[in-house]
Amino acid sequence: GAGVSQSPRYKVAKRGQDVALRCDPISGHVSLFWYQQALGQGPEFLTYFQNEAQLDKSGLPSDRFFAERPEGSVSTLKIQRTQQEDSAVYLCASYAGRNSYNEQFFGPGTRLTVL
Amino acid sequence: KNEVEQSPQNLTAQEGEFITINCSYSVGISALHWLQQHPGGGIVSLFMLSSGKKKHGRLIATINIQEKHSSLHITASHPRDSAVYICAVIQGAQKLVFGQGTRLTINP
Repeated sequence: GAGVSQSPRYKVAKRGQDVALRCDPISGHVSLFWYQQALGQGPEFLTYFQNEAQLDKSGLPSDRFFAERPEGSVSTLKIQRTQQEDSAVYLCASYAGRNSYNEQFFGPGTRLTVL
Repeated sequence: KNEVEQSPQNLTAQEGEFITINCSYSVGISALHWLQQHPGGGIVSLFMLSSGKKKHGRLIATINIQEKHSSLHITASHPRDSAVYICAVIQGAQKLVFGQGTRLTINP
């Protein structure tokens, strides 16, 4: 595709519900990041994939958060038993190389609201 | 203390004014990004720099590695420049660490 796409764009969940957020990176991009952006704040790193390998998941806030990229392209961020503090915009970014010296391309984000 | 600090947090100016947004960081970096985020969340990379100065149209970015400081300048500002501008530093080979953003509003 022409850019990074994410779905859904908006998700409202009841507290305790499980959610799955999808990221379609630019075709052929090796590296993929997930970020969490709380209202009025800058994004914060969650996790990083190089192809299908999850090389860094140090930013995942709890074991309720899980990310996968089984075939090295599409990635899914899953949040189990959602809590109100999970409400944020979840951003996905991809780039072609194996390091950040190239431009990262960001998706439009998924705005998650947990009631 | 955040590893990346931006100032000001909010900036309102009149069309045509010269704008400066500052970014200071406290960690070792390999490069720095300036990003633009419009309402609705879309983020666009404006610059990536590791030394000196870059210019693109009315936008200029500078970085001083010794002082751990970068600035983004906008000349002849326009209402369409209204957005959140985010500084992000690259740690190691991959990880981006973001500032909290500067909300810029340019009034006609």
